[in-house]
Amino acid sequence: GDSVTQMEGPVTLSEEAFLTINCTYTATGYPSLFWYVQYPGEGLQLLLKATKADDKGSNKGFEATYRKETTSFHLEKGSVQVSDSAVYFCALKVTGFQKLVFGTGTRLLVSP
Amino acid sequence: DGGITQSPKYLFRKEGQNVTLSCEQNLNHDAMYWYRQDPGQGLRLIYYSQIVNDFQKGDIAEGYSVSREKKESFPLTVTSAQKNPTAFYLCASSEGQANNQPQHFGDGTRLSIL
Repeated sequence: GDSVTQMEGPVTLSEEAFLTINCTYTATGYPSLFWYVQYPGEGLQLLLKATKADDKGSNKGFEATYRKETTSFHLEKGSVQVSDSAVYFCALKVTGFQKLVFGTGTRLLVSP
Repeated sequence: DGGITQSPKYLFRKEGQNVTLSCEQNLNHDAMYWYRQDPGQGLRLIYYSQIVNDFQKGDIAEGYSVSREKKESFPLTVTSAQKNPTAFYLCASSEGQANNQPQHFGDGTRLSIL
């Protein structure tokens, strides 16, 4: 079945460090891919998306490229801030299915 | 401001009691969803609805019920049959069913057992 695998957390970085959170997927068909962010005690916010191979989604300095050949959608940011501390979820959605399939989430902790 | 409103933020359930979680959206979205989030896990789909007066079971529907009498409202009832209801419940909506349309989430309801 469809699945998403994310790197285990927590990821601990100093402010201004480079961030990569790995995400790989397994899916039938041609999924759309999403990154969501969850701040403590809150719901999920859409961070970025990509709907076809080689698309790059970007928002607030975060980027991710849809790599069909490696079935990956890694999240990157060039310089993290303390305010980026949150849990990040990679997710996919396949045409004809209603649900988002989520990874287990990766917690990011950024220290000053 | 358009968005999804979930209430209450915190809810406590006694043994044998049914409780209802509210979800209202003013985004004019057709599709609505309920997910359950447990610590260290991703979200799992409980129920979804594509149009008014229609809904389908998700992966973990046992012990839950829903209704969709209005486009903007999709309440979730956690029944006494749900033996492990303690979790964070998230409601979402999307404009349609196409896979490129993202789901937008509310701020969640945290349910605990007394």
